[in-house]
Amino acid sequence: AQSVTQLDSQVPVFEEAPVELRCNYSSSVSVYLFWYVQYPNQGLQLLLKYLSGSTLVKGINGFEAEFNKSQTSFHLRKPSVHISDTAEYFCAVRKNLETSGSRLTFGEGTQLTVNP
Amino acid sequence: DAGVIQSPRHEVTEMGQEVTLRCKPISGHNSLFWYRQTMMRGLELLIYFNNNVPIDDSGMPEDRFSAKMPNASFSTLKIQPSEPRDSAVYFCASSLDSPPYSEQYFGPGTRLTVT
Repeated sequence: AQSVTQLDSQVPVFEEAPVELRCNYSSSVSVYLFWYVQYPNQGLQLLLKYLSGSTLVKGINGFEAEFNKSQTSFHLRKPSVHISDTAEYFCAVRKNLETSGSRLTFGEGTQLTVNP
Repeated sequence: DAGVIQSPRHEVTEMGQEVTLRCKPISGHNSLFWYRQTMMRGLELLIYFNNNVPIDDSGMPEDRFSAKMPNASFSTLKIQPSEPRDSAVYFCASSLDSPPYSEQYFGPGTRLTVT
């Protein structure tokens, strides 16, 4: 079975500062990795995904993430955050197997709060 | 595409009443997921359908909860009887589980309050 650990439940930062949201996973098989964002009173929206190829993945809104297989990590970064980035961020994994379906295992979420 | 559609967006009901939540997945998607989100328990997968067949319902809390998918474009999650501890936001998501595969797309959620 897979598991996902988001190392910080809350991350407060000032506007225009860089941010890193940490995600570690464990799995006995290779995985696909995802970051979703949830703005207040909305559903989850895909930020970016790693399926294969380059380990540095760029997503929407200036976010990027790096897949590190040896450290089983998929940390999310943004060089300069805006007030509008305030939201909850979820890391998720799914097995890289055609027979496994698209079921995701989610982390607990990290609340990013950007202060002026 | 309209995305995943859920109704109602908000539901307030009294304990003991039956509640039915509805979901229309994205056209062409063949997998559908029901999630529940609360402050205490976070995001929980309740049930997962593939090609209208329930594949994994291990997350359904108890017999009061039931879900159906009579066709590829509609699913319901029913709670009967409802209890205050069922208060949560319920999300539906859909995906394409065959090539070229897709990530899960989430609906806006139904906020359920049971008094």
